Amino acid sequence: QVQLVQSGAEVMKPGASVTVSCKASGYTFTAYYMHWVRQAPGQGLEWMGRINPHSGDTNYAQKFQGRVTMTRDMSISTAYMELTRLTSDDTAVYYCARDVGTGWNVFDYWAQGTLVTVSS
Amino acid sequence: EIVLTQSPGTLSLSPGERATLSCRASQSVNSNYLAWYQQKPGQAPRLLIYGVSSRATGIPDRFSGSGSGTDFTLTISRLEPEDFAVYYCQQYGNSPLFGPGTKVDIK
Repeated sequence: QVQLVQSGAEVMKPGASVTVSCKASGYTFTAYYMHWVRQAPGQGLEWMGRINPHSGDTNYAQKFQGRVTMTRDMSISTAYMELTRLTSDDTAVYYCARDVGTGWNVFDYWAQGTLVTVSS
Repeated sequence: EIVLTQSPGTLSLSPGERATLSCRASQSVNSNYLAWYQQKPGQAPRLLIYGVSSRATGIPDRFSGSGSGTDFTLTISRLEPEDFAVYYCQQYGNSPLFGPGTKVDIK
């Protein structure tokens, strides 16, 4: 069965960087795009970007351009999302979510989420 | 840039009642690339509907989607206790975007 498992909660200082991992299992990792979506406390969902695990090609939301980097390690079926220059506005639950295919931007499987807290 | 608006913000209903949720886009949604997700507290979202009206795998047929252009609707024909949650619409063109959500709570 398809499963996405993310790394644990993080507490970061303003100005720091955070990396969240997302390990996939139960399907061919390189056959489906992977997305990252975040949700600030009590707020809605915000798409951050996606990666094609086969090629490594990425597309980022304009808001995060220059601050986010998405990568993958095919050998361990894991995607990563690094966000730099953190501020308190980046406090949120970060989700990885699998695309239904190759770039449809519809998300059929989601991980459990990783809470990133930015606080001095 | 498309803006999605969902109404109402909160819908208070009883189990067994019909729920009608609206999603309106500021401009026409390309190729009807419109999806709906359900999110319960402390859980990740769950895909319900894509392509305006196609149910995702395992979604009960009490959930249905309709609409075109700029106006879309998610209908839950008879609310079950597990349906009380927040519902988000999403347009999935080049830059995916979610609406602000509608909370369906128990009256």
